[in-house]
Amino acid sequence: GQQLNQSPQSMFIQEGEDVSMNCTSSSIFNTWLWYKQEPGEGPVLLIALYKAGELTSNGRLTAQFGITRKDSFLNISASIPSDVGIYFCAGQSSPYSGNTPLVFGKGTRLSVIA
Amino acid sequence: GAVVSQHPSRVICKSGTSVKIECRSLDFQATTMFWYRQFPKQSLMLMATSNEGSKATYEQGVEKDKFLINHASLTLSTLTVTSAHPEDSSFYICSARDSRGEHTQYFGPGTRLTVL
Repeated sequence: GQQLNQSPQSMFIQEGEDVSMNCTSSSIFNTWLWYKQEPGEGPVLLIALYKAGELTSNGRLTAQFGITRKDSFLNISASIPSDVGIYFCAGQSSPYSGNTPLVFGKGTRLSVIA
Repeated sequence: GAVVSQHPSRVICKSGTSVKIECRSLDFQATTMFWYRQFPKQSLMLMATSNEGSKATYEQGVEKDKFLINHASLTLSTLTVTSAHPEDSSFYICSARDSRGEHTQYFGPGTRLTVL
């Protein structure tokens, strides 16, 4: 089945540093989503991307939908302690087919050192 | 953003009992909801796709008679873990797909199930 390769698996950074993570796929997706999950909670949607080449920001977060539709990246600028968590990318191959499940990356575990 | 609730947030039960978990989309309608299971430090594992008014679609290896899913309305899906055993202990998360627009998928806060 479809798989997403998400990297890095984990990151330890200093507060104030910028962070970059990405996901790649061998197949095309029509939608890319980025979620953040904190311990004991469900994933929270950060950014949704629906068009190839789209660059979208949400506060200090910026994500882009790759032109080839096979990749996406998420950047976090000026990290703060509350950015700690696991970030998941997810792809959807058919945007208007309600039954198509998301394909998830394995997550990037972010630790911020104050 | 859209809100999805799950109830209960935590449940502890004895082996052999059944547990029902509810998933509700609070401010949108969802013809499709998904149930996931997550083990510690791992990604989400899709268990089944729940469609309003029809039978759920289960992923390979997921027993449909053990994990009963009912999607009785456009805002509610339930997962019942029947005859639970300790190996069923896990974090169960539902998500609901907004029927409007881009069909964005939103997650519930999860239910921690512990079977003694």
